[in-house]
Amino acid sequence: DTGVSQNPRHKITKRGQNVTFRCDPISEHNRLYWYRQTLGQGPEFLTYFQNEAQLEKSRLLSDRFSAERPKGSFSTLEIQRTEQGDSAMYLCASIVGTAVNEKLFFGSGTQLSVL
Amino acid sequence: GIQVEQSPPDLILQEGANSTLRCNFSDSVNNLQWFHQNPWGQLINLFYIPSGTKQNGRLSATTVATERYSLLYISSSQTTDSGVYFCAAGSYNTDKLIFGTGTRLQVFP
Repeated sequence: DTGVSQNPRHKITKRGQNVTFRCDPISEHNRLYWYRQTLGQGPEFLTYFQNEAQLEKSRLLSDRFSAERPKGSFSTLEIQRTEQGDSAMYLCASIVGTAVNEKLFFGSGTQLSVL
Repeated sequence: GIQVEQSPPDLILQEGANSTLRCNFSDSVNNLQWFHQNPWGQLINLFYIPSGTKQNGRLSATTVATERYSLLYISSSQTTDSGVYFCAAGSYNTDKLIFGTGTRLQVFP
């Protein structure tokens, strides 16, 4: 296994359209995180899963955002009715066990541009 | 929630120079990690270091949890060290990491 995989690498969409991103974590990593990063800023936490259970969601995650992790494997992040302010890099990360004593490994991200 | 601040925001070095990056956090932490984001945007985990000192080649990190700061040392810098360095901290009541705004490092030959 070569690491956390994210698809697509880039996504350009028009305002109002729906988009979906996919994240495949490292095998056997049971925790999966979504972060969002805008230019010049550090990654901001969005949500995380322990296996298939979504354990925490940030207040940044509006009703237009939904994340799933069916069967505790890959995860999807959907944004409905996209807005220009949604333009950002969406990062996925995974970890084995808990975040308390393990390193977090990131994918290459999906760069979203909303026109 | 926990606040994470990094300094300096920007650092320009000539190849071969040493540098120290600082990370301050506002609350007790049980998780502190350092990352390097390369010019292509990939975040690479450098250290998991909630306390104590670790070394990995030319990089080393020290966290003094009681004084709420961590330092990342880069010795004999190389052009490939360029990029943005982030620290991220997690407190006892959460399993998420909060990132600082980063230190942008540029190393020139």
